[in-house]
This record gives sequence, structure tokens and C-alpha cells, in this order.
Amino acid sequence: DAKTTQPDSMESTEGETVHLPCSHATISGNEYIYWYRQVPLQGPEYVTHGLQQNTTNSMAFLAIASDRKSSTLILTHVSLRDAAVYHCTLQGGSAKLIFGEGTKLTVSS
Amino acid sequence: EAAVTQSPRNKVTVTGGNVTLSCRQTNSHNYMYWYRQDTGHGLRLIHYSYGAGNLQIGDVPDGYKATRTTQEDFFLLLELASPSQTSLYFCASSDAHWGGYEQYFGPGTRLTVL
Repeated sequence: DAKTTQPDSMESTEGETVHLPCSHATISGNEYIYWYRQVPLQGPEYVTHGLQQNTTNSMAFLAIASDRKSSTLILTHVSLRDAAVYHCTLQGGSAKLIFGEGTKLTVSS
Repeated sequence: EAAVTQSPRNKVTVTGGNVTLSCRQTNSHNYMYWYRQDTGHGLRLIHYSYGAGNLQIGDVPDGYKATRTTQEDFFLLLELASPSQTSLYFCASSDAHWGGYEQYFGPGTRLTVL
């Protein structure tokens, strides 16, 4: 059973900022929050991760709630290349990384 | 840049057939993983390994064997393939399995069992 909950799909337009939510109500203290994205015919690609503090890199900004029970991946100025399935997952002491179905992000021009 | 390659990219076999999926990583990572991806189930971990000769059982191991021959090479074996094993298979590698170490995925192998 997936330990994270995400909406099935979201839509956006080029140039917009997109907020992709993820709920992880049963997260353990040693679990990191990871985001991967996947386009058709390719494997998942790492986007970002965090433990407690918000993080940012060239790909996205990750906002983590103070109680760590939810997080939001923020993509700014999205382009058509950002269209993908975005997976939110938890990784801690076990190697059993659990992926759910993810959120399919559609970007229109 | 991290690199994980898989072969073959596509494979069709018949029920009862013998299939080997190959994965090679050039990241010098200790950990390697085999996942399957099916609509409605996301990615599920089959087996993983933390070094040559080591094998750990994942969440859906039934019907699969795996072998890690070197740090670079990890193989997934289906000795009596069944239609339920028709799926998209991904290999991944990472420095470690605990938090703080992202996984790098290969391009996938699409397996069809008729």
C-alpha cells in the first residue's frame, strides 16, 4: 500500500507556477520525502528530496509542512517539457521505496 | 553523470519460457534494485542487492530470481514465465538505501508473456 496520497492529475499552461500536493500522514521520523518524475518510455528521474526544511534546486522547490504530514512540489514557469507523472515517495531505513500512481501533469501551450 | 542501462528493451516470450533481464550501472553504487510497474500498482520492488553476491527480497518476489555478479551487473531471472509477469521492469541503483540517497533508474524493459 502506498504511504503517500496524490491527486491523479493536474493541468497547467506554459509559464504558470504549479503546486503538486502530496499527503504522507504516517511518515516516520527518519523518512525523507522524495519526488521523482517520469515521462512515457523512460524510468523515473529524481527531482528533489527533503527531510524537514524546505529545499530548492534547479528543477523545483519543495515545501514541507511543519508537521511533515504533507508536502508540495512547486514548479515555476512550467514548459511543455515539464509534462510528466510526478511521484511523491518516502525513503527511510528500508530499501522498500514505495511508489504510488503519481500525479499526471498536463501542460498546454 | 549517473548511468543505468538495461537490456533488452523489449522482450516477448511464451508461458513457461525462460527470460533473463540485464542491468548495468556505471555509477559505482553499492545498491541495485529491480522494480516492476503496472497500471494501478505504481512501482513495486522485486529484489535488491547491496553488493556482488548479495540478494535481498523485495515486496513482490514470487516467480523471480535475481543475481548480482559484480558491482556493476544485476540480473533478473524468470524461469517459468507466466502472463501475470507481463509488465514494465525497471532497474535502479543508489549509493545507499536509507534516506538522503536518490535512486537512478534505467530506461526499462517491456516484457510480454503470451
